[in-house]
Amino acid sequence: GAGVSQSPSNKVTEKGKDVELRCDPISGHTALYWYRQSLGQGLEFLIYFQGNSAPDKSGLPSDRFSAERTGGSVSTLTIQRTQQEDSAVYLCASRIGRTPHIYFGEGSWLTVV
Amino acid sequence: ELKVEQNPLFLSMQEGKNYTIYCNYSTTSDRLYWYRQDPGKSLESLFVLLSNGAVKQEGRLMASLDTKARLSTLHITAAVHDLSATYFCAGQLRDDKIIFGKGTRLHILP
Repeated sequence: GAGVSQSPSNKVTEKGKDVELRCDPISGHTALYWYRQSLGQGLEFLIYFQGNSAPDKSGLPSDRFSAERTGGSVSTLTIQRTQQEDSAVYLCASRIGRTPHIYFGEGSWLTVV
Repeated sequence: ELKVEQNPLFLSMQEGKNYTIYCNYSTTSDRLYWYRQDPGKSLESLFVLLSNGAVKQEGRLMASLDTKARLSTLHITAAVHDLSATYFCAGQLRDDKIIFGKGTRLHILP
């Protein structure tokens, strides 16, 4: 498809397990953002990638969270030793450079039990 | 650090009425975004405001930006039920980080 693709769309995991969430941005989009949205809440910035520049990781809530972006395209957000408070929707967005229009994926719904 | 505050956070209004959602931000922001989110769905872009005095309109929604007051507004004219959703504003810093407000849950009663 032509949009931002995220997988899995839903993930239920046991507390303490590691999870990986994937984002496939729109082809040619150099900028990629990850956000977390807890139930009924706003969007919390996690990390931002722009081309080959060093990512802005200032929003990652703890060292259990990490993200990488391979080849300037697909990004993976990894959460180690998941906790119940990690339960949320993780949203990915992408755009071309600094152009105004940002496109969001459908999100990955993570539930930690 | 950019802080974005929206008010009200929840708004219940009658169809046919007008109302305004306010978005204040704490520091210089290159751009101001408005998004709509329906329950269980992702975010849909509504407006991007780039400069002081910018005004954009789409249907019953109109957004404006006052960079001196660090204020953006989203005005709803003659509300209809289909506009029920959560509306987010977001500001962009010069390092391209985009920070969102907590959202305004809008419920339009028939």
